[in-house]
Amino acid sequence: QKEVEQNSGPLSVPEGAIASLNCTYSDRGSQSFFWYRQYSGKSPELIMFIYSNGDKEDGRFTAQLNKASQYVSLLIRDSQPSDSATYLCAVNPPGGYNKLIFGAGTRLAVHP
Amino acid sequence: DTEVTQTPKHLVMGMTNKKSLKCEQHMGHRAMYWYKQKAKKPPELMFVYSYEKLSINESVPSRFSPECPNSSLLNLHLHALQPEDSALYLCASSAGGGTEAFFGQGTRLTVV
Repeated sequence: QKEVEQNSGPLSVPEGAIASLNCTYSDRGSQSFFWYRQYSGKSPELIMFIYSNGDKEDGRFTAQLNKASQYVSLLIRDSQPSDSATYLCAVNPPGGYNKLIFGAGTRLAVHP
Repeated sequence: DTEVTQTPKHLVMGMTNKKSLKCEQHMGHRAMYWYKQKAKKPPELMFVYSYEKLSINESVPSRFSPECPNSSLLNLHLHALQPEDSALYLCASSAGGGTEAFFGQGTRLTVV
C-alpha cells in the first residue's frame, strides 16, 4: 500500500463549478497535511496546509481533514481555467522527521 | 517573503563532469531539502538537513553529494551522473517540526 494515494485523474470540471480532490494516507500517526499546486514545467506551490480535524478555508480553497478515516480533501470553488494543474497531496509522517511524502498527484482540467 | 532561490535554472552536463546546484533561503528556516522529480511523477525526497546537519539520506547514490555550508545555503554536488539522473531538482525549506515547506523554482538537469 502506498503511503499517500491520490486519483491521478484527469478530473475535468466546467468553469465555475466546484472541484473536489481527494487523498488518503496510510500512517495513522501523521500530523501535518499539505496541498501543493504544480503547473507543467514549474515547481510545486503551497496552497493549503491543515493540522487539525475539520475544515480550513482560504479564499476559494477549502481543505478538509478526517484523521479517523485517514482522508484529506481539497475543494476549489468557482473553478477557473487558471486552476488547471496537478494537485499534489503531501503528508508529514510521524517520528519527528522533517520530511514530506507526496501522493502521485491529481491532474485537474477546468474547461470554459 | 517565502522565496527559495535555486541556481542554475537549467544545466546540461556530461557524464564525466562535476557540477553543483545551489539553493538559498532567507526565511530563517532550519530544515532544507533536496527533491528529485521526473516527468509526470511526484517529487521524491533525496536529502534533509536539520540545523545544518544531514538528518535524512533516502539511500541516494554517492554520485550525489549534499552540503549545507550555513543555515541559509544548501548545495548538491554532482559527479559522474548517468542519463537517467536527468530530472527537475527541487530545493525546499521549512521551519521544521512538520510545518509547511516552500519550494524553489528548480534546476532542470540534463545529463548527456
